[in-house]
Amino acid sequence: QVTLRESGPALVKPTQTLTLTCTFSGFSLSTREMCVTWIRQPPGKALEWLARIDWDDDKYYRTSLKTRLTISKDTSKNQVVLTMTNVDPVDTATYYCARTTKKLYYFDYWGQGTLVTVSS
Amino acid sequence: EVVLRQSPATLSVSLGERATLSCRASLSFSSNLAWYQQKPGQAPRLLIYAASTRATGIPARFSGSGSGTEFTLTISSLQSEDFAVYYCQQYNKWPPMYTFGQGTKLEIK
Repeated sequence: QVTLRESGPALVKPTQTLTLTCTFSGFSLSTREMCVTWIRQPPGKALEWLARIDWDDDKYYRTSLKTRLTISKDTSKNQVVLTMTNVDPVDTATYYCARTTKKLYYFDYWGQGTLVTVSS
Repeated sequence: EVVLRQSPATLSVSLGERATLSCRASLSFSSNLAWYQQKPGQAPRLLIYAASTRATGIPARFSGSGSGTEFTLTISSLQSEDFAVYYCQQYNKWPPMYTFGQGTKLEIK
């Protein structure tokens, strides 16, 4: 059974760095072609893809946020970490991690999401 | 970058009736299009991939069609549990980039 769970702070101050962790089970990021992505959704708005990390440690970022995002993995812990620097109130959103593969282009399993509010 | 435009923004349909949701792309691409259902307070759920293939466990009343720039999600006979927001999503292979539409809210008429 595949599960993903996001964790991180619920409240972050503007200009701070946000660190989110995705802990998953039921699959391994050492499996060929496997990938984990981060997607966010501001309140009442649409979904927005942020970043992807692949089994071979290839990393891809949303172009507009590339300078602020870093994605990494700890295969032994079944975790993927996303950091976002210099956060702003517009970064307030529910952040999801989701599974995909290099050959698939859709997200078949999602975490339940974690709401992050950026406010002073 | 491909932009996906979904229409209508809100669709009001009665129980048992058919709902047709549209997703139009700004550029033609392969049939690498997926549809998701999202209920309030929940994560999105994969419904359809490759434009027309139902994901595991998705009822047959959900169907997808289309190619190029025009894609459609049809729900043949609406059940109460189908009222939700629906998103389409496409994938750009290189550089890897995923784009979602702005969503269609399906509500009870």
